[in-house]
Amino acid sequence: GAGVSQSPRYKVAKRGQDVALRCDPISGHVSLFWYQQALGQGPEFLTYFQNEAQLDKSGLPSDRFFAERPEGSVSTLKIQRTQQEDSAVYLCASSLYNREDSKNIQYFGAGTRLSVL
Amino acid sequence: ILNVEQSPQSLHVQEGDSTNFTCSFPSSNFYALHWYRWETAKSPEALFVMTLNGDEKKKGRISATLNTKEGYSYLYIKGSQPEDSATYLCAFNYGQNFVFGPGTRLSVLP
Repeated sequence: GAGVSQSPRYKVAKRGQDVALRCDPISGHVSLFWYQQALGQGPEFLTYFQNEAQLDKSGLPSDRFFAERPEGSVSTLKIQRTQQEDSAVYLCASSLYNREDSKNIQYFGAGTRLSVL
Repeated sequence: ILNVEQSPQSLHVQEGDSTNFTCSFPSSNFYALHWYRWETAKSPEALFVMTLNGDEKKKGRISATLNTKEGYSYLYIKGSQPEDSATYLCAFNYGQNFVFGPGTRLSVLP
């Protein structure tokens, strides 16, 4: 079956430009996570959706970051007025269960590598 | 702030060598420990989910152990092959979220 799909795979943006990153989770998966991975570090949590509800956005680094999942499937992470420090790999993961469930295995996309010049 | 550490940061081994690396995590509020393999330009792939102290999991040449009381997990690779070259991530799941370690980058030289 199809896995988690992210697009674009690579994005180069000029500082100050707005970008939108898309995530297509595995069909039927309840939970969707966004992570940011800076060079040399592990993925860091950004935000969590349970179906269409954004239950946790505690990891979003600033109000320039905005995520949505309006119909409980595809999600978009938008970054406004990009800065150089936003350069990172953005990973999306989905899971069949709620995040509190011990069976919560996350399936990841290949990520979007964002470079802000 | 929850801290998950992995060591070593990177590792170079010869084909056929066996190797192991460590994930250290908080010993309180434990829910599960996940191991992922992340090959360059691909998606992180789930290897193991471990929930009980003393758990041992095995998949082919790769195995993992878990000690929740002291807060560590070991990942072992027996007879490393070039296709094992990847970054190995562990993630500490405390119910509400995942906290990832920085990963161990393994290079297996033919």
